[in-house]
Amino acid sequence: GESVGLHLPTLSVQEGDNSIINCAYSNSASDYFIWYKQESGKGPQFIIDIRSNMDKRQGQRVTVLLNKTVKHLSLQIAATQPGDSAVYFCAEKETGANNLFFGTGTRLTVIP
Amino acid sequence: EPEVTQTPSHQVTQMGQEVILRCVPISNHLYFYWYRQILGQKVEFLVSFYNNEISEKSEIFDDQFSVERPDGSNFTLKIRSTKLEDSAMYFCASSDSPSGPQHFGDGTRLSIL
Repeated sequence: GESVGLHLPTLSVQEGDNSIINCAYSNSASDYFIWYKQESGKGPQFIIDIRSNMDKRQGQRVTVLLNKTVKHLSLQIAATQPGDSAVYFCAEKETGANNLFFGTGTRLTVIP
Repeated sequence: EPEVTQTPSHQVTQMGQEVILRCVPISNHLYFYWYRQILGQKVEFLVSFYNNEISEKSEIFDDQFSVERPDGSNFTLKIRSTKLEDSAMYFCASSDSPSGPQHFGDGTRLSIL
């Protein structure tokens, strides 16, 4: 499950700070969005999802914001911990489709 | 917590050989998927499967590929005559509905020599 070789955007944050990871999408027909976390050697792990009839959804320490006007999605992680270090992917799905389209990913590094 | 399991974790195969990648989806899920990630590239959709038939496939999923649910728990991806460019991480995923979140396994790293 490694993303070695990808020229990923990177984000470094201090432990305890909040992190914001952004994602732009282009398909206006997408109505379902998911954030995944991928640690080295592992598969994508589901974090949180949101449907297009919402603009915000909260989970445990995470919040997803959806701005359909500018086709932008963000993942906010509160009080970031070293265990949050990973590559984060947004993925989108069109109405009626089965497949997810994945973004390139962002590598988050948490500095203790 | 239920999870998708994939075997083997790493498969090394000679070019031209057939390979079967195995997956055990989450037990109450009915929708199954295969994705791949070539080194340095995005995760790409290959195929979705429901009710013992393919529901959607990408242009990557050509005649070289096939999927099967041989029993009540396994879901397999077969690549018939492997090529060098088939080298990638292959991920299986499952969901309990077509609109629900897809849960991924940890993948099989396929290396074609």
